[in-house]
Amino acid sequence: DQQVKQNSPSLSVQEGRISILNCDYTNSMFDYFLWYKKYPAEGPTFLISISSIKDKNEDGRFTVFLNKSAKHLSLHIVPSQPGDSAVYFCAASPTGNQFYFGTGTSLTVIP
Amino acid sequence: GAVVSQHPSWVICKSGTSVKIECRSLDFQATTMFWYRQFPKQSLMLMATSNEGSKATYEQGVEKDKFLINHASLTLSTLTVTSAHPEDSSFYICSARAALWGNYGYTFGSGTRLTVV
Repeated sequence: DQQVKQNSPSLSVQEGRISILNCDYTNSMFDYFLWYKKYPAEGPTFLISISSIKDKNEDGRFTVFLNKSAKHLSLHIVPSQPGDSAVYFCAASPTGNQFYFGTGTSLTVIP
Repeated sequence: GAVVSQHPSWVICKSGTSVKIECRSLDFQATTMFWYRQFPKQSLMLMATSNEGSKATYEQGVEKDKFLINHASLTLSTLTVTSAHPEDSSFYICSARAALWGNYGYTFGSGTRLTVV
């Protein structure tokens, strides 16, 4: 049973524009959320996080938005750069310990 | 900093043999190690959680006698796939967390692609 879903397997965006990656979850007990980025042949690397007490967290070009009532979070990348091309995973946890991952969205930023 | 070295990166083994995958934290003490598995076109699925010096906690549906996890030190955790079968072919990846990092401090190994023939 997939508790965290990323319904868009791929996304293409022009360099300089905004990339919006979406993630939905089903478990209302999830309180901690993460976004990871993964390049081919490498392990995932932590990108940004948010807890349910906030609805927005910003780190440079990356902003994560959380809509707890809709069980939805999104990652905004502005402006998008070719080096951002990677697979992005969202993950959620009820405790901040074990995380449940989405299937990933492959982002391609076109120069 | 906060590097986890995982090896081997890929391994091919014969059905019925055992394979050991190692994850080492190079510059921090990993108090908790998570082991994930990813089948093609599926998400990373947590297999088990181990804390240094104690037995691993396995997720439902994961055979603890088949997937042996050892976290004997703060810098090394191993996953041994015993009596591997073709259906165990998958991508295995570890994730480590240090006690000082709180809830968001995770770092991943680079993963191991296991193919059982």
